[in-house]
Amino acid sequence: NAGVTQTPKFQVLKTGQSMTLQCAQDMNHEYMSWYRQDPGMGLRLIHYSVGAGITDQGEVPNGYNVSRSTTEDFPLRLLSAAPSQTSVYFCASIPSGASGNTIYFGEGSWLTVV
Amino acid sequence: AQTVTQSQPEMSVQEAETVTLSCTYDTSESDYYLFWYKQPPSRQMILVIRQEAYKQQNATENRFSVNFQKAAKSFSLKISDSQLGDAAMYFCAYSGATNKLIFGTGTLLAVQP
Repeated sequence: NAGVTQTPKFQVLKTGQSMTLQCAQDMNHEYMSWYRQDPGMGLRLIHYSVGAGITDQGEVPNGYNVSRSTTEDFPLRLLSAAPSQTSVYFCASIPSGASGNTIYFGEGSWLTVV
Repeated sequence: AQTVTQSQPEMSVQEAETVTLSCTYDTSESDYYLFWYKQPPSRQMILVIRQEAYKQQNATENRFSVNFQKAAKSFSLKISDSQLGDAAMYFCAYSGATNKLIFGTGTLLAVQP
């Protein structure tokens, strides 16, 4: 039972580099989302998707791109990394249906931008 | 827009004692869910308890219970018989019609032996 799988778990980037955080779920969930966690800020929504081919911005989308070509995958792209993007990133998925369904989180990806 | 506020950045409790973590929220929606998540040092997000807004009865899960006051928009978490393993960051969260989960800033709970 893989659940939500995030890769890589740890990454160090130089300012200006680009990279992709991968997120995959094997539960056929329609809703997927990306959060970042910073000290004293809780988890903030970056982007989300309600199904394949549909994405939308969350609270802090600047500097990030997403796509949803399949139900299973929801990669997060950093176009030109900045030190302000140093954070812990969480991917989450939710089954389709009424709100309040159990939310499944990945284990997090630690990103440091130097 | 919905907001979630946790006004206690840190709390401390003696082992076997009871502690209450506070959470308030703001919304214009009538149907929504509220959650408490536990995040230990491993950073794993663990669902502690969930409350449906249209249910008047407070949710309970073993040693964890909530005091849900819908009119006051308050959703506190009570941990009874605190154990060392309860030490963690606790997040209050809101989910409405869009399924977007909105988090508070967290309360770091320390459990003293």
